[in-house]
Amino acid sequence: EAGVAQSPRYKIIEKRQSVAFWCNPISGHATLYWYQQILGQGPKLLIQFQNNGVVDDSQLPKDRFSAERLKGVDSTLKIQPAKLEDSAVYLCASSLAARSSYNSPLHFGNGTRLTVT
Amino acid sequence: GQNIDQPTEMTATEGAIVQINCTYQTSGFNGLFWYQQHAGEAPTFLSYNVLDGLEEKGRFSSFLSRSKGYSYLLLKELQMKDSASYLCAVNSGNTPLVFGKGTRLSVIA
Repeated sequence: EAGVAQSPRYKIIEKRQSVAFWCNPISGHATLYWYQQILGQGPKLLIQFQNNGVVDDSQLPKDRFSAERLKGVDSTLKIQPAKLEDSAVYLCASSLAARSSYNSPLHFGNGTRLTVT
Repeated sequence: GQNIDQPTEMTATEGAIVQINCTYQTSGFNGLFWYQQHAGEAPTFLSYNVLDGLEEKGRFSSFLSRSKGYSYLLLKELQMKDSASYLCAVNSGNTPLVFGKGTRLSVIA
């Protein structure tokens, strides 16, 4: 099966600029996640979608970050305006079910490495 | 709150055995995952434990003790390609998977 697709692979922007990331999950996976991974740390959840509805966005900095999954498939994550501390890898993941298990682990994309200068 | 602790770095010799520990404190528990992440790549699923005991899968095994809030990942017959970060992640029920900071393993000749 095709994996989780993300683009772009790399992005360099200046602070206060805007940036958007795109994710296409594995076909049939109803649940989609965006994680932020700062260098040397584990992934931190930003937002979880179940189909096109938001399940958890409690850790999303909503003053600058937004995400959507309009048709319940692809998703975009936007940062506007970017800050230096947003430099990180943004990982998209998908799973069959909302609750992770042996039969429904998270499958990650390769991520977008964002550098804010 | 939730807290997941792992050693930051470990070094082991090719052909040897290494054990990577993970301790957690979470409100509720619904399973523990181990993921492998090579530098610059996506995390990939290694193992899942929801009941106490050892789960073996080839060279990799994972152990869980729910009463102690403790898990370990055991890697046998280490190979150079096992050099990677190993992420412990806990599912505490209705909340999404929470990851530890990861353990960077270096395998040396």
